[in-house]
Amino acid sequence: AQSVTQLDSQVPVFEEAPVELRCNYSSSVSVYLFWYVQYPNQGLQLLLKYLSGSTLVESINGFEAEFNKSQTSFHLRKPSVHISDTAEYFCAVSDMGRTAGNKLTFGGGTRVLVKP
Amino acid sequence: EPEVTQTPSHQVTQMGQEVILRCVPISNHLYFYWYRQILGQKVEFLVSFYNNEISEKSEIFDDQFSVERPDGSNFTLKIRSTKLEDSAMYFCASSEQGPNTEAFFGQGTRLTVV
Repeated sequence: AQSVTQLDSQVPVFEEAPVELRCNYSSSVSVYLFWYVQYPNQGLQLLLKYLSGSTLVESINGFEAEFNKSQTSFHLRKPSVHISDTAEYFCAVSDMGRTAGNKLTFGGGTRVLVKP
Repeated sequence: EPEVTQTPSHQVTQMGQEVILRCVPISNHLYFYWYRQILGQKVEFLVSFYNNEISEKSEIFDDQFSVERPDGSNFTLKIRSTKLEDSAMYFCASSEQGPNTEAFFGQGTRLTVV
């Protein structure tokens, strides 16, 4: 079984400031790691994922996340946020040993409010 | 861009009534899922469906719940006799085969049981 903890439920941040969203997980097996974003009135969209290889993964809109196996963390960062980054961000894991399908275990979400 | 669509966006029902939530997954996807999020709580896995049968379900998915792919395009979640605690946002998702493939989510159906 897995569990995911997002330590901050809300993060207010000024436009062009950096932001870090923390995610820690617990699992008895190796996992894949995901960040999903939910913009207002929309569904969950994949932001980025870590499957293997380089522990630093990047999205097309400037977010990056680093997998730290020893600390069982997958924190999300952006060096300079825009108003349009206002959304809720969910960290999720999936059991790497699964043979099919993609059952996700989610954290509680972090609501990011970017202020002008 | 292909997307998962869910209808209705909001449903209000009386306790004890049956509800059917509808989803149209992405056409070439093979796995289908339902998740739910009770207000203020985490998004929770309910069930996955593959090859016209349930492949996995959570403890939440008891006999009150059922899923169906009636016509090769729709994927439905039925709650037989709704309870107040079934009030939540229900998300449908679909993915191609494989545990590391992206799950695409719909916008959700907000179910309110009164």
